[in-house]
Amino acid sequence: KQEVTQIPAALSVPEGENLVLNCSFTDSAIYNLQWFRQDPGKGLTSLLLIQSSQREQTSGRLNASLDKSSGRSTLYIAASQPGDSATYLCAVRPRGNKLVFGAGTILRVKS
Amino acid sequence: EPEVTQTPSHQVTQMGQEVILRCVPISNHLYFYWYRQILGQKVEFLVSFYNNEISEKSEIFDDQFSVERPDGSNFTLKIRSTKLEDSAMYFCASSVHGGFYEQYFGPGTRLTVT
Repeated sequence: KQEVTQIPAALSVPEGENLVLNCSFTDSAIYNLQWFRQDPGKGLTSLLLIQSSQREQTSGRLNASLDKSSGRSTLYIAASQPGDSATYLCAVRPRGNKLVFGAGTILRVKS
Repeated sequence: EPEVTQTPSHQVTQMGQEVILRCVPISNHLYFYWYRQILGQKVEFLVSFYNNEISEKSEIFDDQFSVERPDGSNFTLKIRSTKLEDSAMYFCASSVHGGFYEQYFGPGTRLTVT
């Protein structure tokens, strides 16, 4: 059974810092991996999608990497801003249609 | 930019009542999904739907749950007899196809069962 773990559970950084969020998964047989952002009481906003054949994806200040063989992904946020404060969720797509989510990392960027 | 919409944003119901949660997926998408998130817990998959039938479901999706695409735009989740433990945020999602394609999520419906 696929399990997804995210470390750290919470992170507080001063504005302007570069930071890394970690995601690990137990079964490397995946179609892809998605990173999401969730604001309190809100829906999930897709940030980046990495296919199983890819090593990384970039969008603006965000860069996500994938090492499928070791079951790891990282989300790198450059020059963090207070508006980046949210919960960041990692989800993998095993064979089939469902996404399996981690518990998330709660990020707080202090101004 | 096209987006998934959900109604209502918040639903309060009494235990044992039936509820229907509604979703309008992105118009050219063919795969539809329901997930739920109990407060403080992980987002969990419930069901996926393609070509007017369930393509995959989780253990959570038992006989009290059903899904339907009643017309060309809506996708619904029905809970026949709600329980206290059904209280959660329910998210609808859609994707162009299955497999490699990105899933786009709606804003969610918060269901409170009293």
